[in-house]
Amino acid sequence: DAGVIQSPRHEVTEMGQEVTLRCKPISGHNSLFWYRQTMMRGLELLIYFNNNVPIDDSGMPEDRFSAKMPNASFSTLKIQPSEPRDSAVYFCASSLQGGLGPQHFGDGTRLSIL
Amino acid sequence: GNSVTQMEGPVTLSEEAFLTINCTYTATGYPSLFWYVQYPGEGLQLLLKATKADDKGSNKGFEATYRKETTSFHLEKGSVQVSDSAVYFCALSSLIQGAQKLVFGQGTRLTINP
Repeated sequence: DAGVIQSPRHEVTEMGQEVTLRCKPISGHNSLFWYRQTMMRGLELLIYFNNNVPIDDSGMPEDRFSAKMPNASFSTLKIQPSEPRDSAVYFCASSLQGGLGPQHFGDGTRLSIL
Repeated sequence: GNSVTQMEGPVTLSEEAFLTINCTYTATGYPSLFWYVQYPGEGLQLLLKATKADDKGSNKGFEATYRKETTSFHLEKGSVQVSDSAVYFCALSSLIQGAQKLVFGQGTRLTINP
């Protein structure tokens, strides 16, 4: 079974550039989550969607961050403009609606902003 | 708000030693509790879960019991292997608007020496 697929696995770019991270959730999962992991702050929930609708974006650090889910099989997390402090591993996870199952995580995107 | 506190790592043990990683939580209501494991370069994987008080979750020789009276969910394994080396995260969930929102502890890095 295909799990959650994230791309790219690694991204290195210069500050000020736009960064787009992509996620394909597990087919049939209705909830999608974006997390950021750093040594200093651990795992932070940025935003989550239910049935393609953003439910809670209170974890999004600032207006430079935006996330979309145009359909049930695709989501993006965009940073524009990027800054060195955005360097982290970004994870996408999906689950069945209503907490019927656990969250399944992708392998993450390791982002480095120079 | 909801929070999870794990024992600080890193934890280093010899193969076949007994493992305990402490986890306590603060939450309103009756959350579900989880242990996730993260191997190097990968996303988080669900290790075990418990959904109500006195439930015991178990998987791959690991166990944890949901203790409401002590608000704890300690992870144990009787005899660890080198392949258990990873970072372990305790988490609790609350159902918000149809989605399971997870709150993670800071993670505990475990290293098992042969």
